[in-house]
Amino acid sequence: DIQMTQSPSSLSASVGDRVTITCQASQDIRNYLSWYQQKPGKAPKLLIYDAINLETGVPSRFSGSGSGTDFTFTISSLQPEDFAIYYCQQYDNLPPYTFGQGTKVEI
Amino acid sequence: EGQLLESGGGLVQPGGALRVSCAASGFPFGNYPMTWVRQAPGKGLEWVSSISGSSGSTYYADSVKGRFTISRDNSRSTLYLQMSSLRDEDTAAYYCARGGRMAIFGVVGYFDNWGQGTPVTVSP
Repeated sequence: DIQMTQSPSSLSASVGDRVTITCQASQDIRNYLSWYQQKPGKAPKLLIYDAINLETGVPSRFSGSGSGTDFTFTISSLQPEDFAIYYCQQYDNLPPYTFGQGTKVEI
Repeated sequence: EGQLLESGGGLVQPGGALRVSCAASGFPFGNYPMTWVRQAPGKGLEWVSSISGSSGSTYYADSVKGRFTISRDNSRSTLYLQMSSLRDEDTAAYYCARGGRMAIFGVVGYFDNWGQGTPVTVSP
């Protein structure tokens, strides 16, 4: 199975900061990567799919880049509502699909 | 946009069985592949199982293969997960999720619509 290594596992940031999270796949997954945001007690929310595509309705301060094995997720200017856990997930070819271990973004 | 509403979670003894359901509304359910994802308390997300819109293709994580069965009733716009031989490590919130685009005969690996989750606790 493809393993996803996400870093950092947590980070502290302030409102207005630029935040970057990386995700590395154990093998080439082309561009089949998504990013989700999860707030406490809530379901995950899709932010980015196919590595770079912003889901409808998601603010443009969120962005994704990368292909192959190395991917980056960026929040250009952190807002108060962005404090949450973020997960990457690969979906190259057929299942099993795998998630990264998550990055907690906190103050 | 659509809505997903899980139900059926609860407390079950090790070795027991449980069926969780996910009622869909607001979109053409049969046109979309569906997936179950679980999250153990305080842990990350784990993909469990996926099914194509036509039910012709099903996939399972190794951790549940042979114990869980995914199915759907497109006439009732409902997704199911039948769980048997439950273990302590199956304790989690179970989310149903919609594939990110229509695909009657295949599955889609990213998920654009999630239910609120239903808790399953496996304990003596």
